[in-house]
Amino acid sequence: GESVGLHLPTLSVQEGDNSIINCAYSNSASDYFIWYKQESGKGPQFIIDIRSNMDKRQGQRVTVLLNKTVKHLSLQIAATQPGDSAVYFCAENNWGGSEKLVFGKGTKLTVNP
Amino acid sequence: SAVISQKPSRDICQRGTSLTIQCQVDSQVTMMFWYRQQPGQSLTLIATANQGSEATYESGFVIDKFPISRPNLTFSTLTVSNMSPEDSSIYLCSVEREGRTGELFFGEGSRLTVL
Repeated sequence: GESVGLHLPTLSVQEGDNSIINCAYSNSASDYFIWYKQESGKGPQFIIDIRSNMDKRQGQRVTVLLNKTVKHLSLQIAATQPGDSAVYFCAENNWGGSEKLVFGKGTKLTVNP
Repeated sequence: SAVISQKPSRDICQRGTSLTIQCQVDSQVTMMFWYRQQPGQSLTLIATANQGSEATYESGFVIDKFPISRPNLTFSTLTVSNMSPEDSSIYLCSVEREGRTGELFFGEGSRLTVL
């Protein structure tokens, strides 16, 4: 069935370090992936997305890598800042199938000053 | 981007009562989505609400428990009926970015605590 999971529930880094958040997905038919950031008391906020015809996409301080062979997705945050502290969710979508976003469990990122 | 407003932002409810959550969007949208986020958990889709038709519910969610209204293209309500402590969650309204890109915008959520 469709499911998206994460390797680590929590991640703690020092300010200025790079962060890597991982996500494993199980539906090989998924063709669109999104990373969301959820700060405490707020709704999820879009960070970056990637389609299955790509293996890497870069934004401002963030990079998403997609490895379809092992069904793995990662979010890299460069020069992590205290404002990056939040829970990060990956989500997948299969436009040819259910056409709904399925969310992973989430990783809580804590940035230490 | 769409601006989504939800009311109430939080509430404390008694067991057995029902509560209706409102979602207002600042632009017309075809589909609105209701998600549930249980404490410390991820988001689970409850249902998809289209204007002019009945909502489509996901496995594990039924209309009697979570009735949804969609009277126009900018507004929807979700009712949590006959609440129990297990219904304590954040309920989130979301809409898709224009152009059916798959990207969703979310409201701030409605945090319900059922005693």
